[in-house]
Amino acid sequence: AQSVTQPDIHITVSEGASLELRCNYSYGATPYLFWYVQSPGQGLQLLLKYFSGDTLVQGIKGFEAEFKRSQSSFNLRKPSVHWSDAAEYFCAVVTGGGNKLTFGTGTQLKVEL
Amino acid sequence: NAGVMQNPRHLVRRRGQEARLRCSPMKGHSHVYWYRQLPEEGLKFMVYLQKENIIDESGMPKERFSAEFPKEGPSILRIQQVVRGDSAAYFCASSPTGRTDTQYFGPGTRLTVL
Repeated sequence: AQSVTQPDIHITVSEGASLELRCNYSYGATPYLFWYVQSPGQGLQLLLKYFSGDTLVQGIKGFEAEFKRSQSSFNLRKPSVHWSDAAEYFCAVVTGGGNKLTFGTGTQLKVEL
Repeated sequence: NAGVMQNPRHLVRRRGQEARLRCSPMKGHSHVYWYRQLPEEGLKFMVYLQKENIIDESGMPKERFSAEFPKEGPSILRIQQVVRGDSAAYFCASSPTGRTDTQYFGPGTRLTVL
């Protein structure tokens, strides 16, 4: 079965430091991958997505992610974190013929000032 | 262009009552998805609908839960005879087509069962 693993439940970084959130997927075919961010009490906002082509994907708010097929990974990165980035981040893969998302359990990001 | 709208944002029900959650997709989107987020967990797919059709309900509990997306009006997720375990955030998403489109999420309805 398809699955998404986010090994880090909580991550704390200092403002201005770099960030990498890990995501590993298990899927037989070429995956369609997403990163979403959820602020407390809010819905999910799409940060970026990978369907095909260039394996380094740029998103909103200065985020990027790199698809590595050999490692089954799609890690999210940001060179310099801002306090407003504190939120929960979800990695997801499209499964079921392209009409449902399978989510990881999320990584809660805390930013220290 | 308004985003996905859900109402109510917060819903409190007593055990045994019915809960009705509404979702209006983005303009031009005819595909709707419902997800449930239990406390301290990620989102789990429940059901995928097009207008007047249920396409995939593989994530729906077998009893008490139903969903519809009528020709006119919002999509409705209905939970009958709610139990405490139904307390969760329910998110609706929409997309223009049912293929590998980006799904855009609403703000969610937070259901609390007393």
